[in-house]
Amino acid sequence: DSGVTQTPKHLITATGQRVTLRCSPRSGDLSVYWYQQSLDQGLQFLIQYYNGEERAKGNILERFSAQQFPDLHSELNLSSLELGDSALYFCASSLDSDTQYFGPGTRLTVL
Amino acid sequence: QKEVEQDPGPLSVPEGAIVSLNCTYSNSAFQYFMWYRQYSRKGPELLMYTYSSGNKEDGRFTAQVDKSSKYISLFIRDSQPSDSATYLCAMSPYNNAGNMLTFGGGTRLMVKP
Repeated sequence: DSGVTQTPKHLITATGQRVTLRCSPRSGDLSVYWYQQSLDQGLQFLIQYYNGEERAKGNILERFSAQQFPDLHSELNLSSLELGDSALYFCASSLDSDTQYFGPGTRLTVL
Repeated sequence: QKEVEQDPGPLSVPEGAIVSLNCTYSNSAFQYFMWYRQYSRKGPELLMYTYSSGNKEDGRFTAQVDKSSKYISLFIRDSQPSDSATYLCAMSPYNNAGNMLTFGGGTRLMVKP
């Protein structure tokens, strides 16, 4: 158990809908990272927050957004969902800037 | 061409064998190298971490980095069926703005009893 929690574990929704994924980092970690893992693209970095502020951005679609709250938990919002958004979404957290610990993931299925 | 290349496997070995997993990369900015293990439908678990060329050993695992060749390896000694998983290499540049990880596609390893 990495200490990173993610909810929900599974999410099934329809195209065009909006969902919110939640992540609680390990106690004491200030950075939260979001990754998407799909069969064809592998594990890809989406976005990083550090102590409430956006720190780095990767291959994140404009339909996706994230935020980190004062209690350091983070939410990833996915809107106007498409079939291709079906994937595993992982959150990771770190204290220092190099060692990231991953949560169990949220499996999103868009029908 | 992807920045980090990794043979997807599957790699099938008998129990007790020495396993060699490899990644090549093209971006010379990468300074930190990691190996993660991912069991089916689970989150990646950090195995090894290094930022220098050479070898780093931890129990049955040895990570090797050759920056001049842009090549990293993970060796697993005395492999066990419980080592059956997908192994992901990951890399990060030194960057004060954040350390997004770039992953290889993963190699699926099967250790047969």
